[in-house]
Amino acid sequence: DAGVIQSPRHEVTEMGQEVTLRCKPISGHDYLFWYRQTMMRGLELLIYFNNNVPIDDSGMPEDRFSAKMPNASFSTLKIQPSEPRDSAVYFCASSLRLAGGPLDEQFFGPGTRLTVL
Amino acid sequence: GEDVEQSLFLSVREGDSSVINCTYTDSSSTYLYWYKQEPGAGLQLLTYIFSNMDMKQDQRLTVLLNKKDKHLSLRIADTQTGDSAIYFCAESSISGGYNKLIFGAGTRLAVHP
Repeated sequence: DAGVIQSPRHEVTEMGQEVTLRCKPISGHDYLFWYRQTMMRGLELLIYFNNNVPIDDSGMPEDRFSAKMPNASFSTLKIQPSEPRDSAVYFCASSLRLAGGPLDEQFFGPGTRLTVL
Repeated sequence: GEDVEQSLFLSVREGDSSVINCTYTDSSSTYLYWYKQEPGAGLQLLTYIFSNMDMKQDQRLTVLLNKKDKHLSLRIADTQTGDSAIYFCAESSISGGYNKLIFGAGTRLAVHP
């Protein structure tokens, strides 16, 4: 398996533009997570899905952020409109099960580095 | 509430031992984890410890857990330049009826000759 795949790896956009980040989880994993990493706030969980259904979106910063998982092999995180404070590295991760045991390892993608000018 | 705290930076000399410390708040966490993030990459699970254990050793890695003080540490023996990375402590915590991982901010380990 190729692991978790994210695209694009780097995105530079201007304030006000729509940004779409993409993720392909590991085949067979039932859980998918979106995280945001910044120097100031560290690693934050934004939202996670179980079997394509959003379970906990309490970490989504505001209505400008939305996430979808139309099928088991694809998820998107969209920011519309984007702002400079959204600049961060966005990680997607997937796991076979939810946290609570040693087999519940989360596998992370390489991340998308987003810069909003 | 849920909170995992770590020191942000550690610098050691090659060949010395590194000790990265972490405190957590959820006493019901069944497992505690250490993840490693190398430059330009995502996080990768390094090791974990079950909450009823106080120590786990895996080659150069030793994890110590003080459940009373909610303190977790990761010791790396004979630290090498390849160990330079950010190390994240994480606890599993129940929120809204679901378990999820709560990560600390990460400790950046710099290894110098």
